[in-house]
Amino acid sequence: DAKTTQPNSMESNEEEPVHLPCNHSTISGTDYIHWYRQLPSQGPEYVIHGLTSNVNNRMASLAIAEDRKSSTLILHRATLRDAAVYYCILPDSNYQLIWGAGTKLIIKP
Amino acid sequence: NAGVTQTPKFQVLKTGQSMTLQCAQDMNHEYMSWYRQDPGMGLRLIHYSVGAGITDQGEVPNGYNVSRSTTEDFPLRLLSAAPSQTSVYFCASSPDIAPLGADLYEQYFGPGTRLTVT
Repeated sequence: DAKTTQPNSMESNEEEPVHLPCNHSTISGTDYIHWYRQLPSQGPEYVIHGLTSNVNNRMASLAIAEDRKSSTLILHRATLRDAAVYYCILPDSNYQLIWGAGTKLIIKP
Repeated sequence: NAGVTQTPKFQVLKTGQSMTLQCAQDMNHEYMSWYRQDPGMGLRLIHYSVGAGITDQGEVPNGYNVSRSTTEDFPLRLLSAAPSQTSVYFCASSPDIAPLGADLYEQYFGPGTRLTVT
């Protein structure tokens, strides 16, 4: 099963864009890349997912490299409420999500 | 819709005790799952179900039992609690395990149950 690699933590200033990287060099051709986030003391929540093309929704954008070995989650204008752990996830062969430790995003006011 | 609900929010058990963590969803989702999350780590899958009457093991199933008699409910039973089961437990649901191809539906998570075994 493919694995993901993310930085342990990142800091950003409030109201600035944030780029959260993820490496997945062993991704297979049909694996979708999923992003979830977990706010403090809450259950995870879905952010975005994609296969090849860049994807946008009301919460974020997902930029996927042409070779699909890496992707970047983009928060266009971070607020204090975006402080969370962000997980970049690939499914295993049984369609189950494999969670790593994620990136802790710290937003400075 | 209440979404995914979990009870209790907190629980303290003594080693060897048994208990059931409750999970319910009101979205008519076929797929439900249980995860545990240890401090500073990501979620690990315990058991999952793709529909009523169907369950399967995840990454860390030992010491836990599940059943799925209805679409709405997916209880997790700890048979004989051990300190190693101290963790936060999350239940999740989604419309189905996978549509055509490898795409996955969004998963909806409950608020979690914080379990301490002494």
